[in-house]
Amino acid sequence: EVQLLESGGDLEQPGGSLRLSCAASGFTFSSYAMSWVRQAPGKGLEWVSVIDSGGSSSFYADSVKGRFTISRENSKSTLYLQMNSLRAEDTAVYYCAKAPRVSAAPVDWGQGTLVTVSS
Amino acid sequence: QTVVTQEPSFSVSPGGTVTLTCGLSSGSVSISSYPSWYQQTPGQAPRTLIYTTNTRSSGVPDRFSGSILGNKAALTITGAQADDESVYYCVLYVGTGIWVFGGGTKLTVL
Repeated sequence: EVQLLESGGDLEQPGGSLRLSCAASGFTFSSYAMSWVRQAPGKGLEWVSVIDSGGSSSFYADSVKGRFTISRENSKSTLYLQMNSLRAEDTAVYYCAKAPRVSAAPVDWGQGTLVTVSS
Repeated sequence: QTVVTQEPSFSVSPGGTVTLTCGLSSGSVSISSYPSWYQQTPGQAPRTLIYTTNTRSSGVPDRFSGSILGNKAALTITGAQADDESVYYCVLYVGTGIWVFGGGTKLTVL
């Protein structure tokens, strides 16, 4: 059974940094692309970023480009999202999700971790 | 800026059929958009219903189906049930590794 467990969400001040992690199990992590999708309170889903199976290619939404960095450690079956220069509008539940490849939509989802950016 | 459009809300009677759509602010949706559909209830993570236009995710009943209708992607629910009352999101691939979600359709079954 695919399991994705996010962690690292917290309350952070504007301008601060956080690193989210997503521990994967139940599948061959190194064979799949991985994504981050977020949902602000009371709002819809927003795609944030995707990384290919090998970690060599990554892509970002304009809203986070230059501030967020997606990465992965295949030996540990773990996905990361380094979030810098945080803004209030980054407040959201962050989900990690598994996809067959970069050009395929997420299929399996974690339960999410809450990031709150506030002074 | 690519915008993915969905009906904000829709209602269907129990046992009825409803088709939700997913379009692009400019251009047409095609199979190369790899449209996918998700169901979400309050406080829960999204559940994948359909991916790559018309492939049902594991465990999804066959009353959920995906297609391309004209220049939009479509999710059809036949024989709607009370627990289908949810928010439905579509997502489209707009190229170069970029995906865009629609704003979601709140479906009411009454």
